[in-house]
Amino acid sequence: NAGVTQTPKFRILKIGQSMTLQCTQDMNHNYMYWYRQDPGMGLKLIYYSVGAGITDKGEVPNGYNVSRSTTEDFPLRLELAAPSQTSVYFCASSLSRDRGSPLHFGNGTRLTVT
Amino acid sequence: EDKVVQSPLSLVVHEGDTVTLNCSYEVTNFRSLLWYKQEKKAPTFLFMLTSSGIEKKSGRLSSILDKKELFSILNITATQTGDSAIYLCALPVLDKIIFGKGTRLHILP
Repeated sequence: NAGVTQTPKFRILKIGQSMTLQCTQDMNHNYMYWYRQDPGMGLKLIYYSVGAGITDKGEVPNGYNVSRSTTEDFPLRLELAAPSQTSVYFCASSLSRDRGSPLHFGNGTRLTVT
Repeated sequence: EDKVVQSPLSLVVHEGDTVTLNCSYEVTNFRSLLWYKQEKKAPTFLFMLTSSGIEKKSGRLSSILDKKELFSILNITATQTGDSAIYLCALPVLDKIIFGKGTRLHILP
């Protein structure tokens, strides 16, 4: 059972470049999330989705975009990379919102913008 | 504003010590509180707490929730170097799950 799969694991971008972080899950979870984690810090929510076709902003959405065309996939797009976006990005999914079913995390993407 | 506050942010103890990590919160429509452990990679789930006063236990780790005073504690007894990690507290808020900043725990041999 693959769970939540993120690609790539590492990426270095130049300022102004764009890229898409891929996330896919095979657990048929409706809820999917993108978080970023800066060094020594907790997780900040970028965007989330409650089902295919539905996305919403989290705490720190500026500079990012998402789409959810299928239940399985939830890609995160950076259009004009900035050094402030250097971080580790985690995708997560959960079965439902009832009583906060535990999140299943991918292994993260470490992004450096120089 | 919904918020999750963890303390301390950082803690260094010797192997064998007991530690207590704190998580206080202010959220609308409380449903549950979640604890995660994060070592090198992604956070892994430890506990989900929904009711006050009922201790959840797994080996040397235990956690309890106080819904009246709006906090939870995570206890680790007889700590080992393998307990070194960031411990994260999280709460569902509507369709989101928000995290505290975490407690970075370092166990000295």
